[in-house]
Amino acid sequence: AQSVAQPEDQVNVAEGNPLTVKCTYSVSGNPYLFWYVQYPNRGLQFLLKYITGDNLVKGSYGFEAEFNKSQTSFHLKKPSALVSDSALYFCAVFGGGSNYKLTFGKGTLLTVNP
Amino acid sequence: DTAVSQTPKYLVTQMGNDKSIKCEQNLGHDTMYWYKQDSKKFLKIMFSYNNKELIINETVPNRFSPKSPDKAHLNLHINSLELGDSAVYFCASSQKANTEAFFGQGTRLTVV
Repeated sequence: AQSVAQPEDQVNVAEGNPLTVKCTYSVSGNPYLFWYVQYPNRGLQFLLKYITGDNLVKGSYGFEAEFNKSQTSFHLKKPSALVSDSALYFCAVFGGGSNYKLTFGKGTLLTVNP
Repeated sequence: DTAVSQTPKYLVTQMGNDKSIKCEQNLGHDTMYWYKQDSKKFLKIMFSYNNKELIINETVPNRFSPKSPDKAHLNLHINSLELGDSAVYFCASSQKANTEAFFGQGTRLTVV
């Protein structure tokens, strides 16, 4: 079975500081990894994905994520946080094979303080 | 133009009633989904359709029945609603199962 762990329920950072939202995964075979953001009372919005290739992927709104195969991690990062980045962030994995579905982590609430 | 639209946005109903949520996507995607988000914001897939065919049915009670009349539509019908069905239901679509999904705005279902 495939799974995603987001170890932090909440992350607080000051505006202008770098931010990291952690994600680790478990899947048999090569993973397809995704980050989504959910603003209050809205649907999820796609931020970025890793399929293959360069381990550092860049996405929307200045976010990036680093794929680390040995640590089975796919942490989301941004060099300088904005107050408007405050939202709920979900990591997700697609493992293929018999797990032909996207499995989401429980979400991490990011709060950026002015 | 909204890529994935679902209606209604809010649904308040009594226990035992039957209700439907409609979803339409104009992205030309082959795959559509229904997800349930509970009060703790945990997201769980309910159903996945590919070209109108059911691919995934994630141990959802029989009271939930999806219907895909064509590739652009995936509706969700719920019979005999229970208090525990209260949640936000999201429709989504993607080109393929392993590509990024686009989500609708959600339908907040409250069963009283």
